[in-house]
Amino acid sequence: DVQLLESGGGLVQPGGSLRLSCAASGFTFSNYAMGWVRQAPGTGLEWVSGITGSGINTYNADSVKGRFTVSRDNSRNTLYLQMNSLRAEDTAVYYCARRFCSGGSGGTCYWSFDLWGRGTLVTVSS
Amino acid sequence: VQMTQSPSSLSASVGDRVTITCRASQGVSNSLAWYQQKPGKIPKLLIYAASTLQSGVPSRFSGSGSGTDFTLTISSLQPEDIATYYCQKYNTAPFTFGPGTKVDIK
Repeated sequence: DVQLLESGGGLVQPGGSLRLSCAASGFTFSNYAMGWVRQAPGTGLEWVSGITGSGINTYNADSVKGRFTVSRDNSRNTLYLQMNSLRAEDTAVYYCARRFCSGGSGGTCYWSFDLWGRGTLVTVSS
Repeated sequence: VQMTQSPSSLSASVGDRVTITCRASQGVSNSLAWYQQKPGKIPKLLIYAASTLQSGVPSRFSGSGSGTDFTLTISSLQPEDIATYYCQKYNTAPFTFGPGTKVDIK
């Protein structure tokens, strides 16, 4: 099955750190750029970070720049999000998502997301 | 670039035509996607490139627009369309989502 499975969420104090993982299966992970999208309780979607298939290029929302780092290990088919200096407003469900490519990884790719994990909840509170 | 959506919520009857608008504060060409998120579920990609229906999405959904103004239309609302709908621009980072439009059945 084609799927994404996040892990690593939990309760952390303000100022603390957490690393999220996203295990990919059922597709050639290295052929796809990936992203992280979060959703605070009862609110909308917020794009957080993106990374190209090779891992060379990364992109971050202004709200997390300098605090969050996206990376990937293509040998392990795993995406990561290192979150430092966490704040209460970072509390959210964090989804990993695959960049959409029309017709598969060899087709035209768009920074929209066609495959999503179930999410992992991060709670920042003292 | 800021993304806005209107209305923030709507209530319509089964069979009604429903229109949701999305506006970008700067032009994004046709680099716009629409998602559906049902209560308690993960988002689903409906439309990309402003007007191209993702595989498997019912044809009652359609998208239009370019530049700064975009529209998602449900031609005949069905009970299973109860959800929040989000637009997302993706021409350049940040790949910002709109605030969402919640659709209910009247």
